[in-house]
Amino acid sequence: KQEVTQIPAALSVPEGENLVLNCSFTDSAIYNLQWFRQDPGKGLTSLLLIQSSQREQTSGRLNASLDKSSGRSTLYIAASQPGDSATYLCAARSYGQNFVFGPGTRLSVLP
Amino acid sequence: DAGVTQSPTHLIKTRGQHVTLRCSPISGHKSVSWYQQVLGQGPQFIFQYYEKEERGRGNFPDRFSARQFPNYSSELNVNALLLGDSALYLCASSAAGFEAKNIQYFGAGTRLSVL
Repeated sequence: KQEVTQIPAALSVPEGENLVLNCSFTDSAIYNLQWFRQDPGKGLTSLLLIQSSQREQTSGRLNASLDKSSGRSTLYIAASQPGDSATYLCAARSYGQNFVFGPGTRLSVLP
Repeated sequence: DAGVTQSPTHLIKTRGQHVTLRCSPISGHKSVSWYQQVLGQGPQFIFQYYEKEERGRGNFPDRFSARQFPNYSSELNVNALLLGDSALYLCASSAAGFEAKNIQYFGAGTRLSVL
């Protein structure tokens, strides 16, 4: 059974810092892994999807990496801005299964 | 183009009542999944439908049921509501069921409060 954890649970950084959010999964036979952003009380916005055959994906200031052998994915945010403040969730999908979400990392970027 | 739309946005019910939540996927998407998100936690998978057939079911009681219509929209039904059913219910759509490159797109959710 796939289990997903995220560290840290919460993070507060000053504006302009580069930061890394971590996601760990127990079943390395994943199909893909997707990172989402969630603003308070809102739905999820897809940020990046990494297929099992890929090592990383980039979109603007965001870069996500995937290491199946170690069961880890990281989301790198460059030059953080107050508008990046949100909860970031990762979700792993194993073969024949549906997405399993982590509990999220709550990010606050201080101006 | 319209994204995933869910209705209603908010709902207040009392224990024992029944509720129906609705979801319209992105045009051209044939797969719809439902998730329950309790405050402070990540979403928990409830159901997936693809081409009007159930393709996956999470660890939820039989009080939860769903269906998908010929136009690919979907309903989630919950009977005999409990206080613990209070949550944000999220619907996600994707182009197909199982390809690794398929991105799930989420709606804004329905906030259900059970009193």
